[in-house]
Amino acid sequence: DQQVKQNSPSLSVQEGRISILNCDYTNSMFDYFLWYKKYPAEGPTFLISISSIKDKNEDGRFTVFLNKSAKHLSLHIVPSQPGDSAVYFCAAYNAGNNRKLIWGLGTSLAVNP
Amino acid sequence: DVKVTQSSRYLVKRTGEKVFLECVQDMDHENMFWYRQDPGLGLRLIYFSYDVKMKEKGDIPEGYSVSREKKERFSLILESASTNQTSMYLCASRSSGRIGGEQFFGPGTRLTVL
Repeated sequence: DQQVKQNSPSLSVQEGRISILNCDYTNSMFDYFLWYKKYPAEGPTFLISISSIKDKNEDGRFTVFLNKSAKHLSLHIVPSQPGDSAVYFCAAYNAGNNRKLIWGLGTSLAVNP
Repeated sequence: DVKVTQSSRYLVKRTGEKVFLECVQDMDHENMFWYRQDPGLGLRLIYFSYDVKMKEKGDIPEGYSVSREKKERFSLILESASTNQTSMYLCASRSSGRIGGEQFFGPGTRLTVL
C-alpha cells in the first residue's frame, strides 16, 4: 500500500511558467517531507524539505507547501526552466522510525522551450 | 563536498553469477542504503545499515545480501544473479544526527543480467 502517492506520472509545462508537482500521503505520523530530483542515469539529488510543523518552505525558485489537514504537499517551481526536466520524487520520514524514507513513485516533468 | 561513490556505472553479468556492488561514502555517515529503481516502480529499498556490521531488510531483500565491515563502505551482493535483477542500483548515506536530514545518493550502477 502506497503511503506516499504522486498521482500524476507526468507533467508538461512551458518554459517560464509555474510547475506544480503534487504529493499525497496517508500516514499522519510523517513528520518530515523531502523532494528529490533525478536525471536519467544519475542518482537523485535533494531539492528541498519541510517539517510538519511548517506550512511553507522556500529556496530560490523552489517552494514546498504542506497542508496537513488534507495530507497533501506540493512543490512549486517558478519560473520553470528546461534544465528542470527530470523525475521528481516526494518522500517522507515517519516520526516513529526516522531511519527509512518512504518514497512516492515519482512525477516526470518536461519543461518545453 | 559530500561524496558517495559506486564501484561501477555500468555492469553486465550472466545469470547465476555472483555480483558485488560496492558503495563508499566520505561523510562519516552512520546510515547507508541500497535501492533499486525500475520504471514506474520508484525507488525500492533493498537493505539498509545503521552501523558497522548492522543491517536491516528493506522492502525487497529477496535475492540480495549486504555487508558493512567498515563505516564508509556498504556492499550489495547478488548471490546468483537473475534476469529480473536487471535494474538501476542506487546507494545512499545519511547522518543519524539530523532528524529529517536528507539522504545523499551515489551516481548509480546500471546492472544488466543476461
